Amino acid sequence: EVQLVESGGGLVQPGGSLRLSCAASGFRFSSNSMDWVRQAPGKGLVWVARIHSDGSSTNHADSVKGRFTISRDNAKNTLYLQMNSLRVEDTAVYYCTRDFGGLSLWGQGTVVTVSS
Amino acid sequence: QSALTQPRSVSGSPGQSVTISCTGTSSDVGGYNYVSWYQQYPGKVPKLMIYDVTNRPSGVPDRFSGSKSGNTASLTISGLQAEDEADYYCCSYAGSNTLVFGGGTKLTVL
Repeated sequence: EVQLVESGGGLVQPGGSLRLSCAASGFRFSSNSMDWVRQAPGKGLVWVARIHSDGSSTNHADSVKGRFTISRDNAKNTLYLQMNSLRVEDTAVYYCTRDFGGLSLWGQGTVVTVSS
Repeated sequence: QSALTQPRSVSGSPGQSVTISCTGTSSDVGGYNYVSWYQQYPGKVPKLMIYDVTNRPSGVPDRFSGSKSGNTASLTISGLQAEDEADYYCCSYAGSNTLVFGGGTKLTVL
């Protein structure tokens, strides 16, 4: 089955860190660029970061630049998002997406809550 | 990285057509033919409806169509059905391997 499964979300205090993971299956993960997209409660979709298929190139939204890092391990078919210096405004559902012909495949999302 | 502009809400009666606009700049919508549209039901995962401005993924009804003129892209839903009631988001490539979403439009089927 073609799917993406995120994990690693949870409750963290402001200034803390979390690492999200996204396990891919059913397709050639190493051939696809991947993105993270987030959605704060009751708000719209916001692009967070993108990584090239071989990991050679990464890009991050200005709002997370210097705090978040996208990476991947093609041997493990897994995408990551390392989130440091978390802020209350980073509270959201984080989706892992396959970037091919649009964001054509989405995971179910993992919830990150930043609160004291 | 400013969000693309979409109307907050649109509405239509069953059988009618509705169009949702998505306005950007020459640095995103107007500069590339990489606009996509997503449908999202409350509490659910977004679903790709249109990619590369006009292309429909397999399984998406042909009632959904996309277009672009200048810095504005549009999603048109014809023969509106009750099940089309959802939130819709546009997304554009914005250069330097970045993407930008619109703020979203709530479609109400009257």
